[in-house]
Amino acid sequence: QSVLTQPPSVSGAPGQRVTISCTGTSSNIGAGYDVHWYQQLPGTAPKLLIYRNTNRPSGVPDRFSGSKSGTSASLAITGLQAEDEADYYCQSYDNSLSGWVFGGGTKLTAL
Amino acid sequence: QVQLVQSGAEVKKPGASVKVSCKASGYTFTSYGISWVRQAPGQGLEWMGWISAHDDYTSYAQHLQGRVTMTTDTSTSTAYMELRSLRSDDMAVYYCARVPIVGTPRNWFDPWGQGTLVTVSS
Repeated sequence: QSVLTQPPSVSGAPGQRVTISCTGTSSNIGAGYDVHWYQQLPGTAPKLLIYRNTNRPSGVPDRFSGSKSGTSASLAITGLQAEDEADYYCQSYDNSLSGWVFGGGTKLTAL
Repeated sequence: QVQLVQSGAEVKKPGASVKVSCKASGYTFTSYGISWVRQAPGQGLEWMGWISAHDDYTSYAQHLQGRVTMTTDTSTSTAYMELRSLRSDDMAVYYCARVPIVGTPRNWFDPWGQGTLVTVSS
């Protein structure tokens, strides 16, 4: 089991809005540690999508946005495109494990 | 541009050791750290540990303590990850990723290397 909990899969039609949740505990997200999101296209290395909860690196479309509240965080994708089909991972720090932790990953399917 | 290039695929027998390299370019190597993350076939991402290229400070995931060692060679801007006593469940793609030192542990991993497949088989 991953320390951060994500839904195994989400799907949406092209053009729709989808969200992916990332639920933690008082040892990680709830302790105030930032949440970061990565996109992993099939057969490739992960790529940073959102850092420090809400920030997009240059080059990441503004269709991707992040939020954080309490012990959870969310990634939202608007105007879903076929090219968004990928695995998405959240990441934070856990002070009881004294290390960084990932969510189990969410597979996004564009219907 | 910032780039991390990893060494090639490895095939090892159970009980052996593997050492993966990660050569950095496009930035000041000693101003950042390198984190190592692995991904077993069909599975998610697992953080293994990180090393500061500034002062060689290391922090390892608790379940890998004693089996993993991370080092750097600042003369070649290269980071290394050695994993010993390999088991079948160590078979995975191993990634290195750059991590800012300032602000740790609130930091993120960017960019990532292309990955190194380590196969463990008798």
